[in-house]
Amino acid sequence: DSGVTQTPKHLITATGQRVTLRCSPRSGDLSVYWYQQSLDQGLQFLIQYYNGEERAKGNILERFSAQQFPDLHSELNLSSLELGDSALYFCASSPSGYSNQPQHFGDGTRLSIL
Amino acid sequence: AQKVTQAQTEISVVEKEDVTLDCVYETRDTTYYLFWYKQPPSGELVFLIRRNSFDEQNEISGRYSWNFQKSTSSFNFTITASQVVDSAVYFCALSERDQAGTALIFGKGTTLSVSS
Repeated sequence: DSGVTQTPKHLITATGQRVTLRCSPRSGDLSVYWYQQSLDQGLQFLIQYYNGEERAKGNILERFSAQQFPDLHSELNLSSLELGDSALYFCASSPSGYSNQPQHFGDGTRLSIL
Repeated sequence: AQKVTQAQTEISVVEKEDVTLDCVYETRDTTYYLFWYKQPPSGELVFLIRRNSFDEQNEISGRYSWNFQKSTSSFNFTITASQVVDSAVYFCALSERDQAGTALIFGKGTTLSVSS
C-alpha cells in the first residue's frame, strides 16, 4: 500500500460528459502529480501541484483541469470526454516535489468512455 | 531532450532463470535521477529503486540488482532466480534536477512473463 488513495477505481461514462477524479496524497506529502496511461502513449505526465500551487504542466489537454486543495487532496477534471480519453489515470505524491524524491503512486482510476 | 528507451517490449522466461531488463536514457543535465517501477497485473505502480547520476555504485536488494553505467547511459535491472510473482510490466523513468517541475519521464515498459 503506497498510502496514495484514488477514487473511484473505475468510471464508465459517455462521450461529451464530464468526470472528476480524486486523489489523497500520502500523509506529509505536499506535491501531487497526475499521469495518464494509455496503450498508445504509455505513461504521460499531465500536471504537478505543490502545496496548492501548480508547479508544472505536461501534455494536458485544455479540456482537462486540476487543482490541489488546502487539505492537499487533488482533483482532476476531465470534460467533453472523447473515446480517446479512455485510459488509466494515476495520481502520485512526493514529500516536497524535488526531482530526487521517489513518487509514490495510487492504484489508479480506470476511465472507460463508451 | 529527455528520453527513456526500453528496447525489450516483452520477455518470457521460466522460473529460476535470471533476466535482465535494459534501460537507456538521454538527458542534457549532469544531475539526474533514475527510477524503476513495477506494474503487476493488478495495475498499481510500485516504486522499486532510485539512483542518483553521481552515484555509479551498483545496488543489490535480495534477488534484484541494478547496474548503472553513466558511460553508456544505461540503468539495467536484473532479477536473479526469477519467480512467477515477478511477472509484471517494469518501467524505467528519468527525472532531472533544476526543473520547474519534476515530472517522471517513463520508458514504454518491458512486460516480463515468468512461467512455472
